[in-house]
Amino acid sequence: KQEVTQIPAALSVPEGENLVLNCSFTDSAIYNLQWFRQDPGKGLTSLLLIQSSQREQTSGRLNASLDKSSGRSTLYIAASQPGDSATYLCAVRPMDSSYKLIFGSGTRLLVRP
Amino acid sequence: GAGVSQSPSNKVTEKGKDVELRCDPISGHTALYWYRQSLGQGLEFLIYFQGNSAPDKSGLPSDRFSAERTGGSVSTLTIQRTQQEDSAVYLCASSLDGTGGAIDYGYTFGSGTRLTVV
Repeated sequence: KQEVTQIPAALSVPEGENLVLNCSFTDSAIYNLQWFRQDPGKGLTSLLLIQSSQREQTSGRLNASLDKSSGRSTLYIAASQPGDSATYLCAVRPMDSSYKLIFGSGTRLLVRP
Repeated sequence: GAGVSQSPSNKVTEKGKDVELRCDPISGHTALYWYRQSLGQGLEFLIYFQGNSAPDKSGLPSDRFSAERTGGSVSTLTIQRTQQEDSAVYLCASSLDGTGGAIDYGYTFGSGTRLTVV
């Protein structure tokens, strides 16, 4: 059974710092991995999608990596800003039930001005 | 449309009443999903549609919950005789295809419906 874990559960950093969020999954048989952002009481906004054949994706100050064989992904946020404060979720799309994303429990990020 | 649209954005209802939540997916997306997120909890899968059929309803919490999708587009999630434990944010998502594959464009979520049962 696929399980997704995110560490840390919460993170507080001063503005301007670079930071790394971690996501690990137990079964490497996935189609892709997706990072989302969720603001309090809101829906999920897709940040980056990494196909299983890819190693990384970049969008602006965000960079996500994928090491499928070791079951790990990282989300790197450069030069953090208070507007980055949100919960970040990673989710994998497993090959054995491809329609159902399996989510981690998220990392709650606070960027202090 | 350009994104996944959900309505209403907020709904307050009295215990025992029925509610309908609506999801309008991205045009051309054949797969549609409903998830629920209770306060401080993770995302709970409810149901998956491929076209108008629902191959997986395993996540529906009880027989008070039902969902349908018509014309391969709009979906309605209905909760009958609402209970206080039904209070949550109900999220809808769509994707180009639910069957996965080598290239996939991922999920797009709507902004959710916050349901409060009083």
